[in-house]
Amino acid sequence: QLQLQESGPGLVMPSETLSLTCTVSVGSVTNRSYYWAWIRQPPGKGLEWIGSISHFGTVKHNPSLKSRLTISLDTSRNQFSLRLTSVTAADTAVYYCASRSSGWFSLDYWGQGTLVTVSS
Amino acid sequence: QSVLTQPPSVSGAPGQRVTISCTGSSSNIGAGYDVHWYQQLPGTAPKLLIYGNRNRPSGVPDRFSGSKSGTSASLAITGLQAEDEADYYCQSYDTSLSNSGVFGGGTKLTVL
Repeated sequence: QLQLQESGPGLVMPSETLSLTCTVSVGSVTNRSYYWAWIRQPPGKGLEWIGSISHFGTVKHNPSLKSRLTISLDTSRNQFSLRLTSVTAADTAVYYCASRSSGWFSLDYWGQGTLVTVSS
Repeated sequence: QSVLTQPPSVSGAPGQRVTISCTGSSSNIGAGYDVHWYQQLPGTAPKLLIYGNRNRPSGVPDRFSGSKSGTSASLAITGLQAEDEADYYCQSYDTSLSNSGVFGGGTKLTVL
């Protein structure tokens, strides 16, 4: 089964850019059976959909984040990435990457999550 | 304010049956999008519990079942066990949000 692992800084300064990478193992980001998604969860709160990218690079964003958000695919490294600009304390959350099946559109496999704190 | 509405909490004694509702609208569940359910145990990542309204991934006990009707969906758990104590989230997609994914606010299940 797919395995996903998030990586990136745990602390980001306000107004700067949050950058995270998800490495996919035991599988390929070019696999047509999956899209690749980012989800976040503020401390003590519920899940929020950030966006997704297909195996050929088509991106779907959460409209509330679209102006600050970039999601990209790196097939040579078998990774996909998230960049969120102009962060504030409201962007503090556990960030998860996940695989979204291209059949049922469910989030089948998840990374363990990484906490990103926005603070000076 | 989540696009999909779930009760904040439900509870039940061991062995009992509980249900968790997920209410949407004509732009998401009512538009024909499937509903998926996730279980999040304390301190862990969410795990897919039900996909496509009523299908269980391999390894999920048949005590868990899902259904969908109109603009709503439900998750039922029978034979409640202590290990079922967790947060449960429904998820779908929404045409008014450029077909972005949407989640319910989550329901905390307490096993008494």
